[in-house]
Amino acid sequence: QKEVEQNSGPLSVPEGAIASLNCTYSDRVSQSFFWYRQYSGKSPELIMSIYSNGDKEDGRFTAQLNKASQYVSLLIRDSQPSDSATYLCAVIYNTDKLIFGTGTRLQVFP
Amino acid sequence: DAGVTQSPTHLIKTRGQHVTLRCSPISGHKSVSWYQQVLGQGPQFIFQYYEKEERGRGNFPDRFSARQFPNYSSELNVNALLLGDSALYLCASSLAGVENEQFFGPGTRLTVL
Repeated sequence: QKEVEQNSGPLSVPEGAIASLNCTYSDRVSQSFFWYRQYSGKSPELIMSIYSNGDKEDGRFTAQLNKASQYVSLLIRDSQPSDSATYLCAVIYNTDKLIFGTGTRLQVFP
Repeated sequence: DAGVTQSPTHLIKTRGQHVTLRCSPISGHKSVSWYQQVLGQGPQFIFQYYEKEERGRGNFPDRFSARQFPNYSSELNVNALLLGDSALYLCASSLAGVENEQFFGPGTRLTVL
């Protein structure tokens, strides 16, 4: 089992819709979780961090964490074409390593 | 405020050569981490340094080494380059340890011929 798993996509959604991105992780003791956005040819950009079970909202973005089920998700409301990018889920392992998933490519079409 | 800076932006080397990549963290950040990203994959963790000490190491061979200087900038060194070392090398800085939010620099694109 991979440490952090994401569906590679592409996930295609129409403009204005909700995009739902999911991630599962294998380390039960992980406490810190992050979502990054990466445009083609650019470096990852931090969108959200989440540390506690439940939802965390920031503008159009909502991160959801369920430690019992070992999954974390990112919802993007009112998706825009400019949201088209690869979304990377990252989890802290052993308190000293940030492990990334392979990323989910999101396409928002007008 | 300036973000994380990396140099050079692009680099072309041949097999067997050595390379040094440089990174300057965001002002006030004391931790630097290095990642390797190949096309189609997420970044892979190489090293983390905090207060000039190595705090974490990923599954990379001993050809990879790094250090952090008193001003918190960092160097990543790769010896005996292989074709498979061609990748985007990313540096990220955070206030303290890797458990804090990390902010990435623009990366160094290394091509090994």
